[in-house]
Amino acid sequence: QVQLVESGGGVVQPGRSLRLSCVGSGFAFRSYAMHWARQAPGKGLEWVAVISYDGINEHIVDSAKGRFTISRDNSENTVYLHLSNLRPEDTGVYFCAKDQTFEKYYYLYGMDVWGQGTTVTVSS
Amino acid sequence: QSVLSQAPSVSEAPGQRVTISCSGSNSNIGNNAVNWYQQLPGKAPKLLMYYDSTLPSGVSDRFSGRRSGTSASLAISGLQSEDEADYYCTAWDDSLNAVVFGGGTKVTVL
Repeated sequence: QVQLVESGGGVVQPGRSLRLSCVGSGFAFRSYAMHWARQAPGKGLEWVAVISYDGINEHIVDSAKGRFTISRDNSENTVYLHLSNLRPEDTGVYFCAKDQTFEKYYYLYGMDVWGQGTTVTVSS
Repeated sequence: QSVLSQAPSVSEAPGQRVTISCSGSNSNIGNNAVNWYQQLPGKAPKLLMYYDSTLPSGVSDRFSGRRSGTSASLAISGLQSEDEADYYCTAWDDSLNAVVFGGGTKVTVL
């Protein structure tokens, strides 16, 4: 079945780095853009980043620009989120999600498959 | 503070109808499709509605959506206990080059 599985979360000190991974299966991973979103404890969802199906196009939320990068390896059906210079406010559950539009560079019609999330805690 | 505005909560009795509103601007809802997500407690979000009013396969037709100007709404008819969840509106923002979320609306079935 269609599935996304995240990994790489953990407890890190402020200023440190972390790499999150998300492996997709059951669909043509290389043909869909992939997103990351996060949710701080007790708070709402916040979109973080998107990378196009071919890795050429990407966008990052303003609060993470210069600190987070998104990348993908279509040969491994994996999308990554590299988190650096982490801050306590980056604490939360990080979800990866599949865009539902096939091989396009726009991201208008939502994310139809979500992983269960991986937890990042930034604390000294 | 979220780019899209939603009421924090709404409650209604079983069998009734609730409407969740989402307000944005010309750079997001005014120019792009609105999508809605349902998040049950402790679970990952689920795409509930896309392109303003299109139901994904398997989603109950008790849910309906509409967009007008810079606002959108999600209606749930025949409210059931299983509908208790957080609901989020989203849209692409042309100025921010980002997906923007509403703050979420918690639906409580009395």
